[in-house]
Amino acid sequence: AQSVTQPDIHITVSEGASLELRCNYSYGATPYLFWYVQSPGQGLQLLLKYFSGDTLVQGIKGFEAEFKRSQSSFNLRKPSVHWSDAAEYFCAVGAFKAAGNKLTFGGGTRVLVKP
Amino acid sequence: DGGITQSPKYLFRKEGQNVTLSCEQNLNHDAMYWYRQDPGQGLRLIYYSQIVNDFQKGDIAEGYSVSREKKESFPLTVTSAQKNPTAFYLCASSPEQSNQPQHFGDGTRLSIL
Repeated sequence: AQSVTQPDIHITVSEGASLELRCNYSYGATPYLFWYVQSPGQGLQLLLKYFSGDTLVQGIKGFEAEFKRSQSSFNLRKPSVHWSDAAEYFCAVGAFKAAGNKLTFGGGTRVLVKP
Repeated sequence: DGGITQSPKYLFRKEGQNVTLSCEQNLNHDAMYWYRQDPGQGLRLIYYSQIVNDFQKGDIAEGYSVSREKKESFPLTVTSAQKNPTAFYLCASSPEQSNQPQHFGDGTRLSIL
C-alpha cells in the first residue's frame, strides 16, 4: 500500500526567507506526485505535479519541487516566502494505472509566516 | 469558468439525523471523490466514483452513502450511523485516466448541534 509522510506538522518562517517542506512516500512502482496548498476554510489548489522526466518541476506562485527516487522524496521549496504563503500544504501520491486514479495524501504541513 | 461547487458551506445536524452534502462539477470529469478532513489527519477518502451509476468505498465509508445518477453530480449523505460526523468535507473530480490531478471544491463544514 502506498503512503505519504510529511514529517513537519508546523513550520514557521520569516517573510523573505527560504522555505522547504519535506515529503517522503512509500510505493513499490513508479509514483506520480502532487503538492497542493489549502488556505483556511478553502479547498485544495494544485501547486505542481511530477509524472516523469525532469526531476525538478516548477509550479505556480514561485514554488518548485524535486523528485529524488533514491530517497523516496518530493520536497517542496520556495526561495523567498511572502506573507500570503501562510497556509497548509499537502503532498499526495498516486499510482499509474491504479483503479479510480486514487491519491494518498500526507498529513499536511502548516506554514506560518512571521513579518 | 469550470469548477466544482459544494453546498452548503456550513451545515448543522441534529443527533440521529441524516444530512446530504451537494457536489456539482462542470469540468466534464468522469471521476469524482469525497474526502473527510480532520485537523492534523490530512484527507481521508470516503467514496469515489469512476463512472455514472457506479461507485466504490474508500478508506472510511462506514456511516456514509453516495449516489452517482449524473456525471455532474455526486452527493454524499452522512447518516445517523456516522458517530463522529463533525469534520470538513471536500469533493474532488478528475479525468478518469491515471496521473491526472484532482480538482477540489471549497468544502462543507458539518457540525453537530
